This record gives sequence, C-alpha cells and structure tokens, in this order.
Amino acid sequence: EDQVTQSPEALRLQEGESSSLNCSYTVSGLRGLFWYRQDPGKGPEFLFTLYSAGEEKEKERLKATLTKKESFLHITAPKPEDSATYLCAVPTMTTDSWGKLQFGAGTQVVVTP
Amino acid sequence: NAGVTQTPKFQVLKTGQSMTLQCAQDMNHEYMSWYRQDPGMGLRLIHYSVGAGITDQGEVPNGYNVSRSTTEDFPLRLLSAAPSQTSVYFCASTQIAGTGGGTGELFFGEGSRLTVL
Repeated sequence: EDQVTQSPEALRLQEGESSSLNCSYTVSGLRGLFWYRQDPGKGPEFLFTLYSAGEEKEKERLKATLTKKESFLHITAPKPEDSATYLCAVPTMTTDSWGKLQFGAGTQVVVTP
Repeated sequence: NAGVTQTPKFQVLKTGQSMTLQCAQDMNHEYMSWYRQDPGMGLRLIHYSVGAGITDQGEVPNGYNVSRSTTEDFPLRLLSAAPSQTSVYFCASTQIAGTGGGTGELFFGEGSRLTVL
C-alpha cells in the first residue's frame, strides 16, 4: 500500500533559524512528488513538483529536494510569514491522473520573531 | 479570477440530514476531486472525476455521492449525515496530465467546514 509519512509533526523555529522537513514515501514507480503550503482556514497552495531523484527546486526561502525514498523541504532563514502547514503528496499507482494524490499528514511550522 | 469556489463555507447538520456541498471551477479543468481533512490524518480522497459524466471512488467514498454533469461543477452529496462526517471538505481541480498538458498541480477551494451533531 502506498504510504506518505511526514516528520516532524510540528516545528517551532526562531526567525532566521534554518531547518528541514522530511517526507518519506513507499510507492513504486514514483511519478512525481508534490509540496503544498496550507495556511489556517485556507485550502492548500501548490509549491513544487519534483519528478526524479536528485532534482531540486527553489522558491524564496524554500528549497525542495528528492531522493529515491524521501523528499526534504529546507527552510532557510525563515520569517514569521513562513508559518504554515506544509504537505507533501504523491500520485497513487492506480490512475494516470496526477490529480489523485495521497497526502501526508503535514508538518505544522511556526516561526516566531 | 475565481479559481475553485466552494459553498457553503460553514454548515451544521443534524444526524440523518442530507445536504450538498457545491464546487465550481472556471479554469476548464477536466479533473475535479473532493478531499476531506481531519486532524492528524491529512487529506483523504473521497471521489474524483476525469470529465463530465465520469466519476470514480477515492479512498473514503462511503456515505457520499457525486455527479459531474458539466465540466465546471462537481457537487458532493451527503445522503444521511453522521457525526463521523464532521470534517473540512476541499474541492480541487487540475488539468489532466500527459495528453491534457497538465502538470498535476491541484488548485484547491477554500474549504467547507461541516459539523454533524
């Protein structure tokens, strides 16, 4: 059974204190890994798609990397506005549509001034 | 740019009542889906559709019905509400990957918060 596990569940950072979030997955034939950001009371917002091991993508203070078994979301010198829940997701094998995703439970990040 | 619009944003039901959560998108996306989000469990797929007239079950379909008569709309029906269906519901859409030209990026609505007493 395909599984997506995120750690830690919660992360409290001081402004400027860099850290990494982990997303490990057990799917065969990975066809992409997605990262989303979710603010309280809002729907998830797309951040990145990674397609193959070794790939990296960056957006402002966020950098996502992918290996064969896991993905990391690095937050460099975070600011309070980076506070959110970060979700990762992978497409399940039973469909050709990448919209059918299996999500991890998320990592809630709080950045304090 | 409306994107994905969900109504209502909040709803309280009594056990056994039925209701429909509405979802509309204006991006001409073929793929639409409904997820529920519960604390500690992440988003779980309820039903999805790859085009008008085509629907299929996701991970947690029991107690829910869907139909897709147009490209734009994908309503979710709760047939007889139960307290276990208290959750936040998200509708999402995307262009089909591959020949559809999509990249898999899901566009989510703001959510519908349902409480069943």
